[in-house]
Amino acid sequence: GAVVSQHPSWVICKSGTSVKIECRSLDFQATTMFWYRQFPKQSLMLMATSNEGSKATYEQGVEKDKFLINHASLTLSTLTVTSAHPEDSSFYICSGGSSYNSPLHFGNGTRLTVT
Amino acid sequence: DAKTTQPPSMDCAEGRAANLPCNHSTISGNEYVYWYRQIHSQGPQYIIHGLKNNETNEMASLIITEDRKSSTLILPHATLRDTAVYYCIVRAIAEYGNKLVFGAGTILRVKS
Repeated sequence: GAVVSQHPSWVICKSGTSVKIECRSLDFQATTMFWYRQFPKQSLMLMATSNEGSKATYEQGVEKDKFLINHASLTLSTLTVTSAHPEDSSFYICSGGSSYNSPLHFGNGTRLTVT
Repeated sequence: DAKTTQPPSMDCAEGRAANLPCNHSTISGNEYVYWYRQIHSQGPQYIIHGLKNNETNEMASLIITEDRKSSTLILPHATLRDTAVYYCIVRAIAEYGNKLVFGAGTILRVKS
């Protein structure tokens, strides 16, 4: 099946710094990938849709200047949390699919802790 | 995307079948029913999906009612490793890149 690799699996950073999370589709090409965030004991919340070669589409309430998304190739999308603060501490997960009618597959997530 | 309703939690004895219900009474004709599960601190795992016919794969079976307003995910022989949050999601596949919107899901606890 389709494999999505996410890196790093966990990261600790200081308040005010930026963190980049990578999401790679290992055995398929993904024109579109999705970024989610999950707080403890809550469900996944969609943050943005990442489109290869064009601007990402952000969900309402998600700051596009804080969560920078780059989808430079068909196999790599990155999420950069800029000027991170403790309230950005969360579990970030990406997903993608090989075609419009195929299931989306998810990475194993990145646990971000901002101190 | 149509809203789904699932029980917040269920228990199942190890080795028995786990039947997880989902209501999606406002589902549209072009919307599929997807099931995912999430084991603690991992990304969601795809289980199965269907449109109107019952589906079976190596992980589970999906039974969709004739009117498509509800469905049941069946894990035929639950093990302790099946303890997870199970999400039922309806998703239209009318165009490329349709997103998945997650609800609260059902916490399934498999007990020995």
